Amino acid sequence: DAGVTQSPTHLIKTRGQQVTLRCSPISGHKSVSWYQQVLGQGPQFIFQYYEKEERGRGNFPDRFSARQFPNYSSELNVNALLLGDSALYLCASSSPTETQYFGPGTRLLVL
Amino acid sequence: GNSVTQMEGPVTLSEEAFLTINCTYTATGYPSLFWYVQYPGEGLQLLLKATKADDKGSNKGFEATYRKETTSFHLEKGSVQVSDSAVYFCALNLGGGSQGNLIFGKGTKLSVKP
Repeated sequence: DAGVTQSPTHLIKTRGQQVTLRCSPISGHKSVSWYQQVLGQGPQFIFQYYEKEERGRGNFPDRFSARQFPNYSSELNVNALLLGDSALYLCASSSPTETQYFGPGTRLLVL
Repeated sequence: GNSVTQMEGPVTLSEEAFLTINCTYTATGYPSLFWYVQYPGEGLQLLLKATKADDKGSNKGFEATYRKETTSFHLEKGSVQVSDSAVYFCALNLGGGSQGNLIFGKGTKLSVKP
């Protein structure tokens, strides 16, 4: 079975631009969560979506938004990029037992 | 609040040495506990988990026991290999309505020398 997939793998943007990151969960998983991992730190929770509804939100500004589609794939959008948004963005899908399985991540660099 | 504290790294060991990475947590309620591993340039892989007190998670020679009395979930391996070199993250999940919210420690980098 395919694992969690994310695209693109790498991205370079400039300050003030907008970015969209994409995630496809493991087949049969209905929940997707997004995390931000700054270099040298543990991942920080951004959003969780389940059955297309937002189930949880971490301590991130309104510049961050997300949505989930009927096929359970998800997009994370970040507007008005700041240098501090440079990070690895991880998507995870949840099994019925709530264990989260992570994708390889999208590495975003903001210049 | 809810949090996870891991021992500071980096940890450098010789091949076949014994490994312990300490992890303690603070949580309201009864969390599930996890160890994830991150190899260079990759995402996180689930290593093992435990969902209730006294449970032992194990995988690939790694073990961790959920100790409610000491709020700990220390990772151990009897004989490390060079291929175990990675960053290890301890995490908790309160489950239920907040099942998406994994809370991670800062990670411990392990380097194993031949």
